[in-house]
Order: sequence, then C-alpha cells, then structure tokens
Amino acid sequence: GAGVSQSPSNKVTEKGKDVELRCDPISGHTALYWYRQSLGQGLEFLIYFQGNSAPDKSGLPSDRFSAERTGGSVSTLTIQRTQQEDSAVYLCASSSDREDTGELFFGEGSRLTVL
Amino acid sequence: GDSVTQMEGPVTLSEEAFLTINCTYTATGYPSLFWYVQYPGEGLQLLLKATKADDKGSNKGFEATYRKETTSFHLEKGSVQVSDSAVYFCALSALNDYKLSFGAGTTVTVRA
Repeated sequence: GAGVSQSPSNKVTEKGKDVELRCDPISGHTALYWYRQSLGQGLEFLIYFQGNSAPDKSGLPSDRFSAERTGGSVSTLTIQRTQQEDSAVYLCASSSDREDTGELFFGEGSRLTVL
Repeated sequence: GDSVTQMEGPVTLSEEAFLTINCTYTATGYPSLFWYVQYPGEGLQLLLKATKADDKGSNKGFEATYRKETTSFHLEKGSVQVSDSAVYFCALSALNDYKLSFGAGTTVTVRA
C-alpha cells in the first residue's frame, strides 16, 4: 500500500488477555518503529527494527511486551496479560534510510482499551 | 537524556490569527529538529524540519528556526485557517541516533 497500515484500528480487551497489534510498513522501508501514545502524554518510544533485527528494545515497558518483524516487512507487537495501564494508542512508523533526514512515516495507530 | 518540552495546550484561535507554539530541547551536541502534525483521524506526518543551527524549516505557511543559543525551535504561522486544527508535536533526533524523541503535543483548534 501507499502508507503504513496498522490493524486493528481499535481493540477492546479484558484485563489479563493477550493482544497482538500488526504493522505493515511502506514497501522497501528497512527501519520500523513502535511508539505508544497515552492520553496527555507524548509519544513514548518502544522498539526499533532494522530489517528483522531489533537493536534497541529499550523502550519496552515490561517483559509482557514483545515484538517481532519477519521478512523485513510486517511487524507484530504482542502484549501479554494486559493491564489497564496498557491502554493507549500504539503507533507504528517506518523509514527508508537512517541517513535521510530522520523522517518517519506513521500509521494511524491501534487504539487499545483494557477493561 | 535528550528531551523536548513544548507548550501545553489546548490552544484555541480564530481564523487569520497568529499562532506560536513554543518548543525547547535538551540534547548533547546538535540534534535535528522536527515538527510533526496529526490531523483528526490521520497518522502523524512531518510538517517541517531543520538539521543545523540557524536553519529555517517551512511548509504550508508554517515556519520554525533552529536557535542553538536558546535551544529552541518555535513553530509559527501568521494567519491560521480552520484546516490547521490538529495536534502539533515537536521532536528531535540526536546525532547518530535512529529514533525521534517527541514532546507531549499541543492541540490547536481554529474557529471560523
């Protein structure tokens, strides 16, 4: 597609359930990022992929959070045993080359609500 | 660590008013600076950027100048339109870093 695609756009789940959020980056973009946007907060960096490798996972808030990327393309962010504080909009972004100005292309996000 | 502080909102303006959103940063060295905008129902998109001191980024009538002496990158527009209603994020990318650090965002509403 033309832009970064994320699914689902909205997810409501019960506390304790696992959720998977998917990101389909712009074709050919080697770098992929996950950010979290909580109400009234800025964008919080979660994890960065270069190809299928994740050289920086420092932003993942706990071991309940994990992410993978396959084929240098689609990425999945998994949250296990969800808690109410996990409620947020999860944003995915991709970019073509770290040398090129640092512009990231964002998806519309996946809004997660944990009841 | 590197961080960005931007003016809290929300900001409500009338059409054709002047808009300023303040942004200051803390970083080691000379980062690249960005303004991203999120229109209702859309993903964040780059509005403008500046990569070195005294550079001025501009787009869609918006401008921001990279001020090293005041560590600032304030966003300005001389005459806003209703279509400028959005959330604006200031961000920086430190030298040799691959990720952006964002401010909290400023919600701007322009009324006709």
